[in-house]
Amino acid sequence: DADVTQTPRNRITKTGKRIMLECSQTKGHDRMYWYRQDPGLGLQLIYYSFDVKDINKGEISDGYSVSRQAQAKFSLSLESAIPNQTALYFCATSDSGQVKWQPQHFGDGTRLSIL
Amino acid sequence: AQTVTQSQPEMSVQEAETVTLSCTYDTSESDYYLFWYKQPPSRQMILVIRQEAYKQQNATENRFSVNFQKAAKSFSLKISDSQLGDAAMYFCAYRSGETSGSRLTFGEGTQLTVNP
Repeated sequence: DADVTQTPRNRITKTGKRIMLECSQTKGHDRMYWYRQDPGLGLQLIYYSFDVKDINKGEISDGYSVSRQAQAKFSLSLESAIPNQTALYFCATSDSGQVKWQPQHFGDGTRLSIL
Repeated sequence: AQTVTQSQPEMSVQEAETVTLSCTYDTSESDYYLFWYKQPPSRQMILVIRQEAYKQQNATENRFSVNFQKAAKSFSLKISDSQLGDAAMYFCAYRSGETSGSRLTFGEGTQLTVNP
C-alpha cells in the first residue's frame, strides 16, 4: 500500500463546483503539504501544515482552503472551481523529527480538470 | 525568497550516453539542501539524489551524480550510461535549513528524452 494516498486520482468537474481533494498518510509524519504542478512552472506550494493546529499559506493559496482533520489526513478544497485551477495536485509529507536532508514523500497526484 | 531555475525545458540523450541537466538557485542562506526529483509518465515524484550545502563532496547515487558549485549557486545532475527508463521530467528543488519548515522550492523542470 502507498504511504501517501491521494483521492481521487483524476477528476473532471465544472466551473463553480466545490471540490475536495484528500490526502492520507501512514508514514506517521507530522508535516503535510499541498503542491500544484503546471506545465513550465514546476511545483508550487499551496498550503502546508506542521501539525493539526498549525496551517500556513504557501505561494499560491488564493482560491484554496485546507483542513487538517488528523495528523494523517490533510484535505484541499476549491470552494468555487475555475478553469485556471486545472492542474496536477500533489500531497507530500515530511517528519520534523528527522534530519534536515530527509526528503519529502509524495503521493501519486490528483489530476484535476475544470471545464 | 529563494528561487530555482532550470534553463533547459527539454533535453535528449542517446541510450548509454551521458547527459547533464542544469539547475541554478538564488539564496542568501548558508544552510540549505538541494534535491533532484524524477517524474516519469506515471507522475510519481521519485527522489534521485540530494546534496547538503555544507558538504563539499558531490553526491553520487549509482549512475547519477551532481556537480555542486556553491559559490556559483549551481547544482547540475549528470546521468551516466543513460537508460530508456531514465526518460522523465526532472525537477531541481531547494530546501532551507534555516527558516522554519521544510518546504521545497522547485525549478520549472527539464523533460529528458532517451533515444534508443
